[in-house]
Amino acid sequence: QQPVQSPQAVILREGEDAVINCSSSKALYSVHWYRQKHGEAPVFLMILLKGGEQKGHEKISASFNEKKQQSSLYLTASQLSYSGTYFCGTEEVRQAGTALIFGKGTTLSVSS
Amino acid sequence: NAGVTQTPKFRVLKTGQSMTLLCAQDMNHEYMYWYRQDPGMGLRLIHYSVGEGTTAKGEVPDGYNVSRLKKQNFLLGLESAAPSQTSVYFCASIARPYRLAGGYNEQFFGPGTRLTVL
Repeated sequence: QQPVQSPQAVILREGEDAVINCSSSKALYSVHWYRQKHGEAPVFLMILLKGGEQKGHEKISASFNEKKQQSSLYLTASQLSYSGTYFCGTEEVRQAGTALIFGKGTTLSVSS
Repeated sequence: NAGVTQTPKFRVLKTGQSMTLLCAQDMNHEYMYWYRQDPGMGLRLIHYSVGEGTTAKGEVPDGYNVSRLKKQNFLLGLESAAPSQTSVYFCASIARPYRLAGGYNEQFFGPGTRLTVL
């Protein structure tokens, strides 16, 4: 089952902040965040690990609440280059192995 | 390092035709995945493989078959294409997922294949 992302779309002016949320009905081992520009492949932003450790981007931060099975991505002082679609992915353990399952995405538009 | 490559980049098929999409990675990754992306639906998992010679179904496997005869290659086949399979297909690979690796591992995506079925 896909994790649920909210909001579906965000419109910002340069310098404004945004929060994108990701929630799952299943226990989370890790949450991955990706950004996709139009016509391109998704690009890794960061990973949040069970236990609080995170690895990733300089100017974008995120939180991971294991108990609530939620993660949030914080984009502060947005820049034009932040525009794109953001996806969260959660690791699901299956009988045949582990797979990364993505949400439907949040489209972020930043204007000057 | 080329990373993850996909062949072809674009393809137009007629209903009922067959084709194979090729994904190749040169990072010696164990896990490989095929996703399809449709407007408003995000990235949906079609099939995946956790090692050479293994494959498993994802969320939307109907109408597709896969094979992983070599560790570096993951093939996605459409035996009888349908208009509903019009989509952008992404391949991805990861060394080992975090839960197994016990550390930080990034999943890499290929550039995508845009497929239109008429």
